[in-house]
Amino acid sequence: AQSVSQHNHHVILSEAASLELGCNYSYGGTVNLFWYVQYPGQHLQLLLKYFSGDPLVKGIKGFEAEFIKSKFSFNLRKPSVQWSDTAEYFCAVFSGSARQLTFGSGTQLTVLP
Amino acid sequence: GAGVSQSPSNKVTEKGKDVELRCDPISGHTALYWYRQSLGQGLEFLIYFQGNSAPDKSGLPSDRFSAERTGGSVSTLTIQRTQQEDSAVYLCASSYDRGNLPLHFGNGTRLTVT
Repeated sequence: AQSVSQHNHHVILSEAASLELGCNYSYGGTVNLFWYVQYPGQHLQLLLKYFSGDPLVKGIKGFEAEFIKSKFSFNLRKPSVQWSDTAEYFCAVFSGSARQLTFGSGTQLTVLP
Repeated sequence: GAGVSQSPSNKVTEKGKDVELRCDPISGHTALYWYRQSLGQGLEFLIYFQGNSAPDKSGLPSDRFSAERTGGSVSTLTIQRTQQEDSAVYLCASSYDRGNLPLHFGNGTRLTVT
């Protein structure tokens, strides 16, 4: 069965620190990859997505993610985090064979001012 | 435009009671998903509707859970004889169609079973 792993459950950073959140998935076929963000008290929002093409994907608010097919990974990065980036981040994978969007368990990011 | 709307936003119920959770997807979106988010857990897929096709119920955790989608629009998730482990945030999401991700999420219904 398709699965998504986010190994960092809680990350605490100071403002201006660099961020990398790990995401690994288990499915070996063609996949669509997503990062969603949930700010405190708000609904899930799309941060960025990968369908095909350039494996380095730029998203909103300075976030980017790199799809490395050989590693089954889609790690999220930001060079310099801000206090307003405090939120929970979810990686998600959609595969045609599984026919559903599978989410990781989420990573809570806390940015200290 | 309007996003995905869910009601109620909060629901407290006694163990053993039935509850109904409602989702209004974005107009024109044919795909509708229900997910469950428990404390410390990821988003657990429950059920998926696509147009007039038979729903994908593979994620429903027990036969106490059921969902309908009337007229290809509004969906209702029903939980019968609620248990304390049903306490979670129930999220609804929609998209234009299955192949046209990403999903647009509602704010969820926080269900507490006492």
